[in-house]
Amino acid sequence: ETGVTQSPTHLIKTRGQQVTLRCSSQSGHNTVSWYQQALGQGPQFIFQYYREEENGRGNFPPRFSGLQFPNYSSELNVNALELDDSALYLCASSLRGLGGETQYFGPGTRLLVL
Amino acid sequence: SQQGEEDPQALSIQEGENATMNCSYKTSINNLQWYRQNSGRGLVHLILIRSNEREKHSGRLRVTLDTSKKSSSLLITASRAADTASYFCAPGAGSYQLTFGKGTKLSVIP
Repeated sequence: ETGVTQSPTHLIKTRGQQVTLRCSSQSGHNTVSWYQQALGQGPQFIFQYYREEENGRGNFPPRFSGLQFPNYSSELNVNALELDDSALYLCASSLRGLGGETQYFGPGTRLLVL
Repeated sequence: SQQGEEDPQALSIQEGENATMNCSYKTSINNLQWYRQNSGRGLVHLILIRSNEREKHSGRLRVTLDTSKKSSSLLITASRAADTASYFCAPGAGSYQLTFGKGTKLSVIP
């Protein structure tokens, strides 16, 4: 157990809808990263938040947005859902600083877009 | 950050045998991490090796790093059915972002 939790575990949406996924970081961690993992692929980096500010973004459109809160919980929002957004969404927390490269992953939210 | 490429894509062995998987990358790194993912679940950090280290052990895991060849290997000794999972490497170059390849899917047959 990493101490990182995600909700919900599964979600079904229809094309065009909006979705919010939530993550609670491991206690004391100041950085959260979000990843999208399509079936049979490795996780792809979406973005990272450090002290409530976006600190790096992968090749994802602006309809993917996020928030990090003072208690280091985090949200991933996706607008105008497309069929290709169906995937496992993973969040990972870490403590930036000495030895902060290691990330601790939650169990993921599986999103299905119909 | 840069992406590592794991090889082979799939590996099937008998319980008790050793499993070796490789990772190649393209530019200089500060460290390299290996993660494991059981089917459809979150990734679990296994080991981090820094660029000035050549070999590192953790239980039944042995990781080597050859910066001249830009490659790393992960050896799992005396494999168990519970080792069945996908394994990913993540080369790090100072950024706190991780970039993963498609991984090596290991099947350990009881």
